[in-house]
Amino acid sequence: DAGITQSPRYKITETGRQVTLMCHQTWSHSYMFWYRQDLGHGLRLIYYSAAADITDKGEVPDGYVVSRSKTENFPLTLESATRSQTSVYFCASSENPGTLWEQFFGPGTRLTVL
Amino acid sequence: KNQVEQSPQSLIILEGKNCTLQCNYTVSPFSNLRWYKQDTGRGPVSLTIMTFSENTKSNGRYTATLDADTKQSSLHITASQLSDSASYICVVAVRSTNAGKSTFGDGTTLTVKP
Repeated sequence: DAGITQSPRYKITETGRQVTLMCHQTWSHSYMFWYRQDLGHGLRLIYYSAAADITDKGEVPDGYVVSRSKTENFPLTLESATRSQTSVYFCASSENPGTLWEQFFGPGTRLTVL
Repeated sequence: KNQVEQSPQSLIILEGKNCTLQCNYTVSPFSNLRWYKQDTGRGPVSLTIMTFSENTKSNGRYTATLDADTKQSSLHITASQLSDSASYICVVAVRSTNAGKSTFGDGTTLTVKP
């Protein structure tokens, strides 16, 4: 299917475990992003990638690792999950049309860390 | 510090009524401002994008305005429908080659009642 997908949609894990959230887009967009959304906060950028093998930190990168070996995939790994990482995670992608950084968002992954 | 503030935090209106949501920002240098609609349990979807030179843009019953001098934007919804119940997020991008430079507001939660 065309678009941007995330998996899993829901995940429950325990403190200290490693968790990987997957993101896949079919548009061949150069840019991909990971955000977290918590109650009372707007979307906050965790990491983003301008192209395969190019990643950069966002506003809240601590505790997260990303990779981008292929243009279409941008997995987010929590190496040792903590309760404060309980959140809804959104992946997004964007073309590079000059100044119009419109982003297209996936459906989100609701992560609960017990 | 770049900030985007939205008001009101939440709003309840009757079906068929109009409403206006506000967004004030301190982002500089300004590139563009976007309004997103986020339905419960879904990712945000873009409604409008405006650059510095645009002061009004419409998308069906949604009309966004931008006053770059006062750094204010509004989103006006005409003849509201039950399906308009959602969170509306204002996002302001910095004029930069860095794709990660967008600031998100916390959103306004709109509830449309029959």
